[in-house]
Amino acid sequence: DTGVSQNPRHKITKRGQNVTFRCDPISEHNRLYWYRQTLGQGPEFLTYFQNEAQLEKSRLLSDRFSAERPKGSFSTLEIQRTEQGDSAMYLCASSLAKLLSYNEQFFGPGTRLTVL
Amino acid sequence: AQSVAQPEDQVNVAEGNPLTVKCTYSVSGNPYLFWYVQYPNRGLQFLLKYITGDNLVKGSYGFEAEFNKSQTSFHLKKPSALVSDSALYFCAVRDSLTGGGNKLTFGTGTQLKVEL
Repeated sequence: DTGVSQNPRHKITKRGQNVTFRCDPISEHNRLYWYRQTLGQGPEFLTYFQNEAQLEKSRLLSDRFSAERPKGSFSTLEIQRTEQGDSAMYLCASSLAKLLSYNEQFFGPGTRLTVL
Repeated sequence: AQSVAQPEDQVNVAEGNPLTVKCTYSVSGNPYLFWYVQYPNRGLQFLLKYITGDNLVKGSYGFEAEFNKSQTSFHLKKPSALVSDSALYFCAVRDSLTGGGNKLTFGTGTQLKVEL
């Protein structure tokens, strides 16, 4: 399968613990995005990378959240000191950026986080 | 700021009948518009996009959408619905102006139910 992959698919943790999610984009895609989706809502943008550079962060991304994309390939999203309000589906997407065009984003299956 | 509205939480249609899922948007510049579909416990799948050009855009699985600039709408349509089309549909927009960044802003989704 050459699509976007995310691991783990499900994560259950206790409040206050740290969690880390991984996203592997489509191999030739240079842009990578993280979104959060809660029940009954559409995905909300968190952050995006162009290659290894993190170019934009949403105000939703508090200091407890950090994302990295070393070497411009896979990305990790870490949440420190998790809170119950962090329970959501975390979606990763990738796209190929070209000059003077805008290509669609391809989404992974998501990581569902439950904070107890 | 960019925003999307999907005024219907749910749309019910009989198999074989035409379907329409509504979407309106608000941007400062020109819109880049997208439709995605989400099946249970799965990520979002790209259906179609409007960047520029013809107002009628054709996409995957027989879906099409009509861009209407004066009404700021981008309604999703299909001439003949299938039971397998039952899913959650999201409209998304990105503002063409640099200030809009590269993030997509999604609507809250419309649940499509196609019945025999």
